[in-house]
Amino acid sequence: AQSVTQLGSHVSVSEGALVLLRCNYSSSVPPYLFWYVQYPNQGLQLLLKYTTGATLVKGINGFEAEFKKSETSFHLTKPSAHMSDAAEYFCAVSDTGRRALTFGSGTRLQVQP
Amino acid sequence: DTEVTQTPKHLVMGMTNKKSLKCEQHMGHRAMYWYKQKAKKPPELMFVYSYEKLSINESVPSRFSPECPNSSLLNLHLHALQPEDSALYLCASSPPGQGSYEQYFGPGTRLTVT
Repeated sequence: AQSVTQLGSHVSVSEGALVLLRCNYSSSVPPYLFWYVQYPNQGLQLLLKYTTGATLVKGINGFEAEFKKSETSFHLTKPSAHMSDAAEYFCAVSDTGRRALTFGSGTRLQVQP
Repeated sequence: DTEVTQTPKHLVMGMTNKKSLKCEQHMGHRAMYWYKQKAKKPPELMFVYSYEKLSINESVPSRFSPECPNSSLLNLHLHALQPEDSALYLCASSPPGQGSYEQYFGPGTRLTVT
């Protein structure tokens, strides 16, 4: 079964600094991977997805992620953090057999002024 | 229309009440989902409907009863809930056919059971 592990339940960065949120996956087949963001008391918003093809995926709000098969990783980055990026971020992998997503435990991003 | 809507936004109910949560999408998606999310946790899958048929029930207690009246609507009927059922209930949908199965989420219903 596919799974994802998010390293670091809390990440704090200064405004303008690089954001790096880590996600490693475990899958016996080529995975479909996603990053979602959740602002307080809201639903989840799809940031970006990796299916096949280009390993560097660009998403909304200036975020991007790189699929590295050799490292089984799909880390999320943003060159310059903004206060509005403070939220909970979830990495997820698609279980194609069940047509369902399996989520990581989440990483809370804090942005300090 | 590119969104999933959920009503009500907030719901407070007693343990003997019967209530329903409603979810709607008009994106032509043929898979719809219910998730339960407790504070500071990831969403937990409850049910999956594919082409209006229940395809996955993650061993959810019978006090939660899903219904998919048509391809755009998904309901979750609640009866005799327990305080530990208090949570954010999220609905999601995904496009039809083979593919990456990305899901699009609604804003959720915040449920409090007293």
